[in-house]
Amino acid sequence: NAGVTQTPKFRVLKTGQSMTLLCAQDMNHEYMYWYRQDPGMGLRLIHYSVGEGTTAKGEVPDGYNVSRLKKQNFLLGLESAAPSQTSVYFCASSSGTSGGKQFFGPGTRLTVL
Amino acid sequence: GENVEQHPSTLSVQEGDSAVIKCTYSDSASNYFPWYKQELGKRPQLIIDIRSNVGEKKDQRIAVTLNKTAKHFSLHITETQPEDSAVYFCAASTSGTYKYIFGTGTRLKVLA
Repeated sequence: NAGVTQTPKFRVLKTGQSMTLLCAQDMNHEYMYWYRQDPGMGLRLIHYSVGEGTTAKGEVPDGYNVSRLKKQNFLLGLESAAPSQTSVYFCASSSGTSGGKQFFGPGTRLTVL
Repeated sequence: GENVEQHPSTLSVQEGDSAVIKCTYSDSASNYFPWYKQELGKRPQLIIDIRSNVGEKKDQRIAVTLNKTAKHFSLHITETQPEDSAVYFCAASTSGTYKYIFGTGTRLKVLA
């Protein structure tokens, strides 16, 4: 099992460009989450999904969109990147049967110039 | 809104001493409290967790205590070792969505 994987690992964008971050999990988990991590601010929830075809806003959703067309994949989109979106992005997944324990991907380091 | 406060933000201890990190949560519906360890450049890794029907849980040198009335929980690391140096995050979660609200992290340095 690969667990939770994220693509790409690193990316540099110019202001106004768009991109999509891919998260994939092979644990058949119902729940998936996108976080951003900034120095001194911990991890903040951007969007999450409680099942295929569902999405919901987290603490800091502005400037991001998500889609969960397949149970194993959760995509995070930036339509028009801004320097304030420079961050490390982590994806996580969990299952009700595991009592909500979240398993994290390796992260994507995004720089917006 | 929901909030988790974590203290201290940095903690330095001598090797072999104990370390304690404290968190306070605001949502009384929270019923699951995990602790994550994050080494530099790595993903957060779950090290211990506790549910609201339990007051204390221990796993070798690591323990977590929960006070539901006061809405706070703590991580205790005994006999600290240099490899315990990392950033530790607490979180609070509720059944249903299982989404986490994280604390802002504690950077623990264990001095040899």
